[in-house]
Amino acid sequence: RKEVEQDPGPFNVPEGATVAFNCTYSNSASQSFFWYRQDCRKEPKLLMSVYSSGNEDGRFTAQLNRASQYISLLIRDSKLSDSATYLCVVIPSGSARQLTFGSGTQLTVLP
Amino acid sequence: GAGVSQSPSNKVTEKGKDVELRCDPISGHTALYWYRQSLGQGLEFLIYFQGNSAPDKSGLPSDRFSAERTGGSVSTLTIQRTQQEDSAVYLCASSAPGPQQYFGPGTRLTVL
Repeated sequence: RKEVEQDPGPFNVPEGATVAFNCTYSNSASQSFFWYRQDCRKEPKLLMSVYSSGNEDGRFTAQLNRASQYISLLIRDSKLSDSATYLCVVIPSGSARQLTFGSGTQLTVLP
Repeated sequence: GAGVSQSPSNKVTEKGKDVELRCDPISGHTALYWYRQSLGQGLEFLIYFQGNSAPDKSGLPSDRFSAERTGGSVSTLTIQRTQQEDSAVYLCASSAPGPQQYFGPGTRLTVL
């Protein structure tokens, strides 16, 4: 079983739609959680951290369920510029802070 | 300010040759990481440097891979006797204290 699993998609949604991505992780002692965004042929960039209480940044909402070892990302009112691959990222407990990445979920927002 | 830079941006080499990939982290960042991303695969951790501590090499796939970090700044990833399965994008990241990592643009390695 992979340490971090995501639905690879692709998700093709119209502008203005709400879309949700899910991610599960296998190490119950994992300590930190993030969503990164990667545009085609570009490097990954931090989108947002994920906190147990849930957190929101504009149109983006991230949630963490430690009991189910599940992370989610919700994008509301999607824009064409949201088209990218979204990477679920975990720092496992005891690691030297290296990131463990899911394989990514590809999103295309259509006009 | 300047971000993480990597060179070369692209490298094509023949099977069996050695290659060196360079990373310049953000000035003042004490932690430096190497990852690789193969076609259709997620990002895979390779090696981690933190200050003057011994590096964490637990992600290196074979003894053909090595890395060093000189003066706590620039890092070089060396792949000896390259194989076709080494073809990937090699990404470097750096971080200050705290979890956020900043990635360079990567080096796209193609082994023919």
